[in-house]
Parts: sequence; structure tokens; C-alpha cells
Amino acid sequence: EIELTQSPGSLSLSPGEGATLSCRASQSIISSYLTWYQHKPGQAPRLLIYSASVRAPGIPDRFSGSGSGTDFILTIDRLEPEDFGVYYCQQSDYSLSLTFGGGTTVELK
Amino acid sequence: QVQLVQSGAEVKKPGASVKVSCKASGYTFTGYYLHWVRQAPGQGLEWMGWINPNGGATNYAQKFQGRVAMTRDTSISTAYMELSRLTSDDTAVYFCATAGPSIELDHWGQGTLVTVSS
Repeated sequence: EIELTQSPGSLSLSPGEGATLSCRASQSIISSYLTWYQHKPGQAPRLLIYSASVRAPGIPDRFSGSGSGTDFILTIDRLEPEDFGVYYCQQSDYSLSLTFGGGTTVELK
Repeated sequence: QVQLVQSGAEVKKPGASVKVSCKASGYTFTGYYLHWVRQAPGQGLEWMGWINPNGGATNYAQKFQGRVAMTRDTSISTAYMELSRLTSDDTAVYFCATAGPSIELDHWGQGTLVTVSS
């Protein structure tokens, strides 16, 4: 089973600052199947980025994804107050079995 | 618009089973795989498995094999997730979600809280 390690575990930032979130896989993964979500307490997760770099419909362009192989990055430019929450990466293998990373908490400084 | 509406909160005793439903609307139910994901208190997201509503094929995470069953009723566009032999570690919010072509979980249910307590 492929493991995803997210770092840092948490980030304390102010609105207007930028954030760089990392997702590292235990082995090379299918870039087309690397996805990022935002999750807030009491809500369902929200799809942000799929296929490593494609923004989901309605996602602001301050969110961007990049990477390939084992290393992937989610970048958030100019944090807005509503951007605070937990961010997860997720991958799927060829059998369509999914794994999630442990999450990165982006909190208000 | 795509909507996934899940059944209400449940309280179960250890050793019991729980069955959560997920009613879909706004799209062709048999056109997209339906995944189940859970989040225990203070923990991250955990994938449980999927069902292909078109035919009923399933794929379960190894952790849940033998204890989970995902089914569907296409006549009412509803998927079900049944988890048996519950323990306190199964206390969590359970989500259903549709998967797009890049296995991105693009539409989610509102979540169902399952509490396991004696």
C-alpha cells in the first residue's frame, strides 16, 4: 500500500501570506490520480485540485498544485480567512484503492 | 445539481452493525463509482472502499475486509455501507462521495455520525 506523508503537520499563517504544503509518496504514483482537498470542521471535504495540478470547478486561482513521481505540492497564494482548515492529499492506485495523507492544518496566526 | 443525502446519526453498542445510506440525485446514479470515507474524532480521512453502482462490484480497503459490505439499490439511486462487529474505534463521521474520472472525490454527502458506546 502506498503511503502519503504530508508536511508540515501544521502551519500558522496570517491572511495575505502564502502557504506551501507538501505530500510525499512512499513510491512513485500516478500523477493523474493525485488529489487535494480542503476540510473544515462539521463540513464535508471540498475538492480543490485533481490530476496533481487541475483546479476543480469554482476553486480560486490562488490555489495551485504541482509535482510528479513521489513529490507533490499544494500552493496557496495570498491566504484568505476562509482558507484556514485541514488540507489532505489523496492518491489512487491502478486498482482504484485510495489512500489519504495525514493532513496539514493551516491555522490563523 | 449533484446531491448526496445520507441517513441520520446512529448510536450503536459494541458488537452491533450499522447501515448508512447515501441517496443520490442530479446525475446518473450508475455512471459513477461511489466511495465511502470516514473520519474518527481528532483523526484524518480514511478510505473504506467503493462500489460501482453499475453492476455492484466493490473494492474494500484491506483494513475493513470481512467487516464491511457496500451495496446499492439502483431503483432508488441509493448506496449503502454496512459495518459489522463495531467497536469504539469505529466511532466516526462516515461520508459517501462520487468519484470523477481521475478518481477525485468530487461530490460528498453531508456525513453521518456513528457513535459506538456501551
